[in-house]
Amino acid sequence: RKEVEQDPGPFNVPEGATVAFNCTYSNSASQSFFWYRQDCRKEPKLLMSVYSSGNEDGRFTAQLNRASQYISLLIRDSKLSDSATYLCAVRQTGANNLFFGTGTRLTVIP
Amino acid sequence: DTAVSQTPKYLVTQMGNDKSIKCEQNLGHDTMYWYKQDSKKFLKIMFSYNNKELIINETVPNRFSPKSPDKAHLNLHINSLELGDSAVYFCASRSWTGQGPVGELFFGEGSRLTVL
Repeated sequence: RKEVEQDPGPFNVPEGATVAFNCTYSNSASQSFFWYRQDCRKEPKLLMSVYSSGNEDGRFTAQLNRASQYISLLIRDSKLSDSATYLCAVRQTGANNLFFGTGTRLTVIP
Repeated sequence: DTAVSQTPKYLVTQMGNDKSIKCEQNLGHDTMYWYKQDSKKFLKIMFSYNNKELIINETVPNRFSPKSPDKAHLNLHINSLELGDSAVYFCASRSWTGQGPVGELFFGEGSRLTVL
């Protein structure tokens, strides 16, 4: 079983739509959670960390549900520039590396 | 200046050859990584070094040998290349002392390896 699972999509949404991605993790000892964005043929870049109480950054909202072991990313008012692959990442307590999901591909359509 | 830089960005080679990828970071980070991203976009940890010391060595064939001459550099040498080694190899670094969000990885631009 993979450490982190994501729906690969693709998600094709019109501009202005709200879209949500979920990501589940298998190890209950996981401690740190992140969403990364990866554009085509580019490296992953941190979009936002996910805090226990949930957090928002502009049109992006991240949430953590420890009981069900999943994290989510909500994008409101989608822009064409949001088109990318969104990777969730999880670090376990005391571990040094991040485990990544396979990514969810989003295409925002004009 | 690029924070994490890798060379070469593209590498096309024949099966059986030996090749190296180099990585350098100028962020002053203590920890560096090699990740492999396959054709299905799955990003998987291969190795991690902390202050030149190997701390993570996932299940990777021993044809792959990392080397860290100092904490700013981490190289990856691959012997006897196979078709299945074709992938994008990303170098990354992280600070223990919390530059940016705790635990943020900074990635290089990737080295796209194609084995023919």
